[in-house]
Amino acid sequence: NAGVTQTPKFQVLKTGQSMTLQCAQDMNHEYMSWYRQDPGMGLRLIHYSVGAGITDQGEVPNGYNVSRSTTEDFPLRLLSAAPSQTSVYFCASIPTGRNTEAFFGQGTRLTVV
Amino acid sequence: AQSVTQLDSHVSVSEGTPVLLRCNYSSSYSPSLFWYVQHPNKGLQLLLKYTSAATLVKGINGFEAEFKKSETSFHLTKPSAHMSDAAEYFCVVTPGGFQKLVFGTGTRLLVSP
Repeated sequence: NAGVTQTPKFQVLKTGQSMTLQCAQDMNHEYMSWYRQDPGMGLRLIHYSVGAGITDQGEVPNGYNVSRSTTEDFPLRLLSAAPSQTSVYFCASIPTGRNTEAFFGQGTRLTVV
Repeated sequence: AQSVTQLDSHVSVSEGTPVLLRCNYSSSYSPSLFWYVQHPNKGLQLLLKYTSAATLVKGINGFEAEFKKSETSFHLTKPSAHMSDAAEYFCVVTPGGFQKLVFGTGTRLLVSP
């Protein structure tokens, strides 16, 4: 039972480069989301999706793009990386309904130089 | 607006002594509340959740939390700390019990021998 799988685990980018962080879940959850974790700030919501074909912005969406073509996959794209995007990124999926817990991937540690 | 305040960024205890991690929340709706733990360089794991069934909630590894509506608090406790409890702990609220998570800034628990 894989749960939520994120790739890669580590990445170093140069300023201006683009890349895609992958997230896949095998639990058939409709809701998926991306967070970034920075010291002293907890996890902040970047983008989320309530189902295939539906995405919306979270608290800190600038510089990131998402799409949701299937229930399983929710990739996060950095369009033109900046040092301010150096962070640890987590993907989460949550079952439909009230009071359900989130399942998190292991995280991607991204450094932009 | 919904928010979570974790009152201590760091808590230091000795092994075998009690643990108290404090969390206050603000929510316009009847909230669900969660505590997650993150060990170094790992993803997030659910410790426990409050979903209005009972105000005292027991979780994994001997942790428990009490929901106090009058104080808008959901403090996490453990009677006796173990070295393996050293980690970062996040208090999380989902307003109305649905999927949009709001994280506190985290409390790092340090356990000394």
